[in-house]
Amino acid sequence: AQTVTQSQPEMSVQEAETVTLSCTYDTSESDYYLFWYKQPPSRQMILVIRQEAYKQQNATENRFSVNFQKAAKSFSLKISDSQLGDAAMYFCAYRGPNTGNQFYFGTGTSLTVIP
Amino acid sequence: EAGVAQSPRYKIIEKRQSVAFWCNPISGHATLYWYQQILGQGPKLLIQFQNNGVVDDSQLPKDRFSAERLKGVDSTLKIQPAKLEDSAVYLCASKTSGLTGELFFGEGSRLTVL
Repeated sequence: AQTVTQSQPEMSVQEAETVTLSCTYDTSESDYYLFWYKQPPSRQMILVIRQEAYKQQNATENRFSVNFQKAAKSFSLKISDSQLGDAAMYFCAYRGPNTGNQFYFGTGTSLTVIP
Repeated sequence: EAGVAQSPRYKIIEKRQSVAFWCNPISGHATLYWYQQILGQGPKLLIQFQNNGVVDDSQLPKDRFSAERLKGVDSTLKIQPAKLEDSAVYLCASKTSGLTGELFFGEGSRLTVL
C-alpha cells in the first residue's frame, strides 16, 4: 500500500507570515492525485488544494499553494499571509489510479497561528 | 448542496456494549467511506462502498465491526461488542464516481468507550 509521511507533528506561525507544511509519499504509480485537507477543531475535514501528478504546474488556491516535486515524491503546502482561521490539523492524502478510489492519509500536522 | 450527514455526533458507552453510527452521503455520490480517526492520527479506512457493494473492507475488524449500505445511499456502521481501543472519531465521506474528485467528509461521530 502507498504510504504518506508528514514529519512535522506540530508547526506554528505568526499571523500574516508564511508557513510550509511537508509531505512525502511512496508510490510506484506514475499518475495519481495528491490532496491537502484541513480539519479545524471539532469540525469537518475540508479540501484545501489538489494536485494531479501529470500536471507540472503547481496548484494554487488563493493563499494556499503547493510545491510538487514528483521525482522526490514530495508535496509541501505553503500558506501565505497566515490567518487565525488557518489554525487546524492538516492532512496530506494520496490517491492513485489503481487503488480503487482509496485515499491514503498522513498522520497530520497541527498548525497553530500566533496572533 | 447538502453535505455529508452523520449521527450521533457524540456517544459514550461501556465496553462490551454496542453502538451504531449513521451516514447520509451527498446526493448522487456513489462511493462512500468509513474512516476511523484515533486522536493524534490520520484517518484509517475501515470500509469503502461503491453503490451498495463493498469495494474494500480489508481493515475492518470483522469480529466486532459491521457496515451496510443496503440501498446504495445511507450507510450504518456498527460495533459490537465495543472495546476501549475503539474510542475514536468515525468519519463518513463520499465522492462522485471516476478518477477525479475529492472526498467530502461529515462532521464525524466521536465514540468514547469506558
